[in-house]
Amino acid sequence: AQSVAQPEDQVNVAEGNPLTVKCTYSVSGNPYLFWYVQYPNRGLQFLLKYITGDNLVKGSYGFEAEFNKSQTSFHLKKPSALVSDSALYFCAVRDMGGGSYIPTFGRGTSLIVHP
Amino acid sequence: KAGVTQTPRYLIKTRGQQVTLSCSPISGHRSVSWYQQTPGQGLQFLFEYFSETQRNKGNFPGRFSGRQFSNSRSEMNVSTLELGDSALYLCASTMDLQGRVTEAFFGQGTRLTVV
Repeated sequence: AQSVAQPEDQVNVAEGNPLTVKCTYSVSGNPYLFWYVQYPNRGLQFLLKYITGDNLVKGSYGFEAEFNKSQTSFHLKKPSALVSDSALYFCAVRDMGGGSYIPTFGRGTSLIVHP
Repeated sequence: KAGVTQTPRYLIKTRGQQVTLSCSPISGHRSVSWYQQTPGQGLQFLFEYFSETQRNKGNFPGRFSGRQFSNSRSEMNVSTLELGDSALYLCASTMDLQGRVTEAFFGQGTRLTVV
């Protein structure tokens, strides 16, 4: 079975400060990991993914995420937050060894960037 | 390249009625998945279609059904609507290349309100 947890419902950060949105996962094999962002009344947009290789993954809009196998985490980061980054962020995991092609999504974390 | 198109964007139905939602995936994408998004439950997987066949199914009652056509367009149907079916329904398409892990591309969703 695969599962993902986003322990924070909401993250508040001041514009210009670094931001982190947390994600931990559980899979029986090795994970495929994804981050998506959702703006109000819109669908989800892909930000970045980890398949294999370098633990630091760079994605769209200056976001990056660090894969940590020992801590089973895949936290999303950005060095300097913008007000326009305010949105709902979803982490998703798919078990590399599983038969299902369907990722499991976290419940989402609302990021609020204050001017 | 056109994105994932969902129609209609908004829908208001009465309890007991049925509804059909439509999704046109990105050209060349053969896998289409459907999700239900609610504030309390997050993103819940409904089903996935690949080459006109349902490949995966989530834990939803039989009132929720879907199909995929030969051009990869997909529809989902909800019969005997309940108030709790009010949600944002999201469609996602993936290229699903054998041996490659690809991200999902989401439509803007259909906001269904059951009154």
